[in-house]
Amino acid sequence: QSVLTQPPSVSGAPGQRVTISCTGSSSNIGAGYDVHWYQQLPGTAPKLLIYGNSNRPSGVPDRFSGSKSGTSASLAITGLQAEDEADYYCQSYDSSLSGSKVFGTGTKVTVL
Amino acid sequence: QVQLQESGPGLVKPSGTLSLTCAVSGGSISSSNWWSWIRQPPGKGLEWIGEIYHSGSTNYNPSLKSRVTISVDKSKNQFSLKLSSVTAADTAVYYCARIAGGYSSGWVGYFDYWGQGTLVTVSS
Repeated sequence: QSVLTQPPSVSGAPGQRVTISCTGSSSNIGAGYDVHWYQQLPGTAPKLLIYGNSNRPSGVPDRFSGSKSGTSASLAITGLQAEDEADYYCQSYDSSLSGSKVFGTGTKVTVL
Repeated sequence: QVQLQESGPGLVKPSGTLSLTCAVSGGSISSSNWWSWIRQPPGKGLEWIGEIYHSGSTNYNPSLKSRVTISVDKSKNQFSLKLSSVTAADTAVYYCARIAGGYSSGWVGYFDYWGQGTLVTVSS
């Protein structure tokens, strides 16, 4: 029962642009807490993709971009490639109750 | 390059205590970072368990707080997780990870280095 909601799946053809939403509330994203994104390839550990809403770590292709507005955040993948087929998770902090790091529900990206 | 490696029993009996260790190499656990545990039930999403700073300060997921203890052993450059009163619902791949940034990154930081994960099954 995550407080950050993502679409279960998105798909696109190679070369296309896809976006993944991460919808929160006034106790997490809407409160100004940063959103971070991770890519999890099948059978592997998650890998940091975007930090601080829109920053890419060294080595992450600029095909990946992040943004945040209001109580939501988005991850965009442009020029979709077969190797991008993976699960993607957003992450932030939620200040309700006693506070907690929280992950989104996860989105499976399929390259058609 | 920081590397993390989880270790511990792959099978735990119901009502028992799950114990895992994360060995840190390529960096010091006494650096200005928090260190964390995350888990992922088979076929499901990620759940944050808790985090520790080398000083011993800890933050825990409120939903697990009553059953979780995270500790640090600076002499061995490792940190550990104990989860008590386990049930089948605690079956998951358990990851350890480093949180980027300094002490202020506790609670709000992000995970820049991850271990490969270890599957723990709760079954009799």
